[in-house]
Amino acid sequence: QLQLQESGPGLVKPSETLSLTCNVSGGSISSSSYYWGWIRQPPGKGLEWIGSMYYSGTTHYNPSLKSRVTISVDTSENHFSLKLSSVTAADTAMYYCAKEVRAGNFDFWGQGTLVTVSS
Amino acid sequence: DIQMTQSPSTLSASVGDRVTITCRASQSISSWLAWYQQKPGKAPKLLIYKASTLERGVPSRFSGSGSGTEFTLTISSLQPDDFATYYCQQNNNYWTFGQGTKVEIK
Repeated sequence: QLQLQESGPGLVKPSETLSLTCNVSGGSISSSSYYWGWIRQPPGKGLEWIGSMYYSGTTHYNPSLKSRVTISVDTSENHFSLKLSSVTAADTAMYYCAKEVRAGNFDFWGQGTLVTVSS
Repeated sequence: DIQMTQSPSTLSASVGDRVTITCRASQSISSWLAWYQQKPGKAPKLLIYKASTLERGVPSRFSGSGSGTEFTLTISSLQPDDFATYYCQQNNNYWTFGQGTKVEIK
């Protein structure tokens, strides 16, 4: 059974870089059929896609966040990572990692990790 | 950016009711539309993709329709487990979500 688990600091200071990792178990991140993505949800608000990547390194990002986002993959560790630079309070959210199928459908999700941006 | 607008924002209904949620895209997205269900404190769950294809394991009381810019999610007979927030999502060009529709107990 595929499982995804987010990990990383729950508190980040303004202007710093948010860094999260998604550990994938029960399946290989190198599968040729899937992308792997990050989605976030501010408290009490809706969902926002951040970006996705293929195990080979191909990425695509939300244009509104593109200048601040980097998604990378470590196939040897079977995990992928998110970096979001120059964070502000507006970046406070639950961050989810997910498996993306059929270009844009997210069928397996992690439980999410709450990141608060505050000094 | 393709904007997705859902209506209503909140819907009050009773067990057994037929429920319909509408999602409109700011430009044509063909049938590249998915629906998700989210319960409090949980990750979203994929219900429907390509506007009308039911994800494996999703009960048949859920159905989706539409193409172009107008889409609907219908729950034929609302069950206690269905009280949740529902999101549409376009996957035609980048991916964007609607603002959500909360289905609450009447």
